[in-house]
Amino acid sequence: SQQGEEDPQALSIQEGENATMNCSYKTSINNLQWYRQNSGRGLVHLILIRSNEREKHSGRLRVTLDTSKKSSSLLITASRAADTASYFCATDDNQGGKLIFGQGTELSVKP
Amino acid sequence: GAVVSQHPSWVICKSGTSVKIECRSLDFQATTMFWYRQFPKQSLMLMATSNEGSKATYEQGVEKDKFLINHASLTLSTLTVTSAHPEDSSFYICSASSGRLKKWFFGPGTRLTVL
Repeated sequence: SQQGEEDPQALSIQEGENATMNCSYKTSINNLQWYRQNSGRGLVHLILIRSNEREKHSGRLRVTLDTSKKSSSLLITASRAADTASYFCATDDNQGGKLIFGQGTELSVKP
Repeated sequence: GAVVSQHPSWVICKSGTSVKIECRSLDFQATTMFWYRQFPKQSLMLMATSNEGSKATYEQGVEKDKFLINHASLTLSTLTVTSAHPEDSSFYICSASSGRLKKWFFGPGTRLTVL
């Protein structure tokens, strides 16, 4: 079953602009993770935020988590053409340790 | 980070044949492995969870007799797509978890094309 809904489904921006992607989920969670996937390739883990954290940074990435609204956002600052990929959130709801993925946002960064 | 491999990376088969995909954790013992399926332009859909030495737990709507999962050791899980049909063509991704560390490591995926 799919847990998360992400918006937008597709996002097209110019290089240098910021990109914001949102993820909503339905059940209580232990943590929420963001992954990146280039077309036809495997997943790359970007960042994990725990349920007791509200914000986390990693390089040009900033993730927020609002457990009261069951939502998270991923901000990529100063985007580059190489950031073009699909981005997925995934939640661990402590049901046997499985990760459930959101629908994903397809990001296109134009040079 | 830990490494998870999948073999083969891609496979083409005829309709009606069976295909086996291997998932190996190379440098840690994976108490649990997960199998996902991803259709083009879609997200990863969890198919099943397998624990070493026990039967896999399948997600709702996934046919356990069609997608056979064997987690024979702490470093190897296999997914066999039996009597494959064109609609089974997809990208299959495994994930291994060390349980206690609550970390997940993903394989590079296997692209299955059924003619």
